[in-house]
Amino acid sequence: AQTVTQSQPEMSVQEAETVTLSCTYDTSESDYYLFWYKQPPSRQMILVIRQEAYKQQNATENRFSVNFQKAAKSFSLKISDSQLGDAAMYFCAYRSVGGTASKLTFGTGTRLQVTL
Amino acid sequence: DTEVTQTPKHLVMGMTNKKSLKCEQHMGHRAMYWYKQKAKKPPELMFVYSYEKLSINESVPSRFSPECPNSSLLNLHLHALQPEDSALYLCASSPRTPGQGTSYEQYFGPGTRLTVT
Repeated sequence: AQTVTQSQPEMSVQEAETVTLSCTYDTSESDYYLFWYKQPPSRQMILVIRQEAYKQQNATENRFSVNFQKAAKSFSLKISDSQLGDAAMYFCAYRSVGGTASKLTFGTGTRLQVTL
Repeated sequence: DTEVTQTPKHLVMGMTNKKSLKCEQHMGHRAMYWYKQKAKKPPELMFVYSYEKLSINESVPSRFSPECPNSSLLNLHLHALQPEDSALYLCASSPRTPGQGTSYEQYFGPGTRLTVT
């Protein structure tokens, strides 16, 4: 079974600064997907960024980028130019490839605070 | 349209009541999911429907009864719940294959906040 670990329960960043959220995972599979989801106090889970394991290039979405280290099984999220609206719980998630419906395995989450 | 809708937003029910949660998506996704989320915890998978058939049941108590009447709708029927069932219930959907969507990401609805008294 796969496991996902987020070792930072809480992080804080000043507005306009950069912050990195850590995620490690354990799997015996060679192909899989990794995701970062954001859940603000409004509670809707929003997909921030995705990474296919077979792609060596790190995914980027505007101010959000990942550092994907497949051998180290590490998938960190970097948020640049942090904004107040980035304050949320961030979950790292793993999904196997294949099948119509497959489970998402979530980490325990990191609560990000953004200060002025 | 990348939207999953859920009704109601909030629900308060007694332990003897019967109620239903509703989820709808019009993205043509053929996989739909129910999750339960307690405060400050990640979502826990409850059920997965694939092509309107139940494909995963994560040993959920029978007081929760899922139903998928068609490819766009997912219901969760609730009966004789316990106070510990109070939580945020999230619905999600995902594309059938990478050919149908960009990847396997799940799109979540805003959730129903359930309180059992």
